[in-house]
Formats: sequence, structure tokens, C-alpha cells
Amino acid sequence: DGGITQSPKYLFRKEGQNVTLSCEQNLNHDAMYWYRQDPGQGLRLIYYSQIVNDFQKGDIAEGYSVSREKKESFPLTVTSAQKNPTAFYLCASSAYFQAYNEQFFGPGTRLTVL
Amino acid sequence: QKEVEQNSGPLSVPEGAIASLNCTYSDRGSQSFFWYRQYSGKSPELIMSIYSNGDKEDGRFTAQLNKASQYVSLLIRDSQPSDSATYLCAGGGGGADGLTFGKGTHLIIQP
Repeated sequence: DGGITQSPKYLFRKEGQNVTLSCEQNLNHDAMYWYRQDPGQGLRLIYYSQIVNDFQKGDIAEGYSVSREKKESFPLTVTSAQKNPTAFYLCASSAYFQAYNEQFFGPGTRLTVL
Repeated sequence: QKEVEQNSGPLSVPEGAIASLNCTYSDRGSQSFFWYRQYSGKSPELIMSIYSNGDKEDGRFTAQLNKASQYVSLLIRDSQPSDSATYLCAGGGGGADGLTFGKGTHLIIQP
């Protein structure tokens, strides 16, 4: 089955801890994205990567870091510098050659700070 | 600042009627527009894409784009209770950049 997987589904973090959210895709998509969704809000872009070993900041990158060492994987680290990390985190991917950038989402990770 | 605006609702529509969802966007450079359906607690699911002025139909769904008015809409014909969800409108520049999302419209289909 082709698709996007995210793990874990639920994650609890203590104050001051860094945590890493996993995102893997087997769609052979070049571009990958991380969004954050807060209750009653739309999605906000954190980081995106169009090719391996390259990534760009989105609208709310402060307190987050990413890497793109493999085409299939785009992990997101939520650092202790992120002041309000409790949210629903969504990973997406798209085929870069496609002119209009249809993005498809994984199932998401719910992060709660204790 | 790129913005996509949607009425948050809830929008209540009787079963079998047409549901009409609307969205406006601020960035005239936006090339592509998308409608996603999101059930409570789940991730967004792409249901329609539209890139050119006019209408695009897919089954019970019709997306409409008017670039001059910076307006996008989604019509759902023969609404079913399973259509009850939040519908997110998104716009993009046409490349592989991120999308700008509205806050979503909560649609309720009443049996």
C-alpha cells in the first residue's frame, strides 16, 4: 500500500524535552511538508523540503528543526524552545514534477505537553 | 501576508440538499486551490483541486474558481450525513511550496 505514515499517533512531552516526530512516505514524492493544527484553526506551515538534503522554513519554524537525509523520510524535532507545542502535527507530501502541488496527508501525531 | 478566509459555520444543510461552501484568498499570485475534508480527530483528505477559472465537477462535488474575484467555492450535491465534516480551503503558488489554509467550515448534514 502506498501512503504516508506518521509515528507515534500520540506523544506526551515534559517541559524542557526535545521530541522527534516521524514521517515516512512510499509514494516516491519529492516534496514533503510539516504543518501544525491547533483546535478550531487551519493548518500552518512549519517546514518543507523539495529535495533531499534541502529544506526551507515555513511560517512558524521557530522552535522546530527538520532533516531530509532520505527521500522517504522527513522527521520533525520539537525543541524545548517551542513555547506552546501542544497541537496536532501533520506531515504531507507531493510529487514535485506536478505543476499544481496536490498535497496528501499522513494520519497525524497529537503532541501534548505535560 | 497570504490569507485564505472561510466562514467557520456551522453550516447546517438538510440531507439531499446542496451544500455550498465559500472561500476567498488575498494572494493574487495563487495558482492552485484545493478543498480538503477533515473528520473530527482525523487528518485532511483531498477531495477537489482546481487551477483554472470556471467549474470542475467530480461526482457529487463541484469546485468553482473566479480569479478576478479571488473566490473559490465547493458545491456538494445530494448531501449525505457522511458529508458532515470540516472543509478546509487551501491555496498555493503552483510550485512545491507550502499551501495556505483557511480555518475551515464546519458542515452539518441533518437527516
